[in-house]
Amino acid sequence: GQNIDQPTEMTATEGAIVQINCTYQTSGFNGLFWYQQHAGEAPTFLSYNVLDGLEEKGRFSSFLSRSKGYSYLLLKELQMKDSASYLCAVMDSNYQLIWGAGTKLIIKP
Amino acid sequence: ETGVTQTPRHLVMGMTNKKSLKCEQHLGHNAMYWYKQSAKKPLELMFVYNFKEQTENNSVPSRFSPECPNSSHLFLHLHTLQPEDSALYLCASSPTYGQGGTDTQYFGPGTRLTVL
Repeated sequence: GQNIDQPTEMTATEGAIVQINCTYQTSGFNGLFWYQQHAGEAPTFLSYNVLDGLEEKGRFSSFLSRSKGYSYLLLKELQMKDSASYLCAVMDSNYQLIWGAGTKLIIKP
Repeated sequence: ETGVTQTPRHLVMGMTNKKSLKCEQHLGHNAMYWYKQSAKKPLELMFVYNFKEQTENNSVPSRFSPECPNSSHLFLHLHTLQPEDSALYLCASSPTYGQGGTDTQYFGPGTRLTVL
């Protein structure tokens, strides 16, 4: 079967760096997405990786290793507004998104 | 504001009621999606429409009936629901479907549905 694994919850301190991991096993691969979802709000698109390596967008970076079935989202200079759930999703060979259950990130002052 | 709107934002209904959820996208996208989101579970894809044609129906019970009159509007008609259908129902749209990175989905705020 197809499976996406990410930690259920993480806690970090304001101003610090946090890495949220995602491992996947899917039928084929057409890219990996990260979304941010604040409580009670819509998921918002953060990043898309289809090739190995690191993509940087301001304070957020996303890394992909296709051979290892692994990605991470790196958040730097954490702010209180970064408290949210972070969703990892992989596009399989049929171009369907397989979603993880999300990682709830709690930022403490 | 993501360009995808959903109404109503909250809905409480009895098991014998009939109601409809509405989604509208102002992004000029060609594909639209319905998802169910339950607490601590992955997003569940329900239906996909591409250029108004239904391309995916992930074994969704017939008490959920989608309608896509044009590429900008999507409805989910509900009837004789069960309490376990209580969840957040999210609508999304994407520029393309079946093409990889340009399939990036943009979500509406969702309808919080409670079935009594």
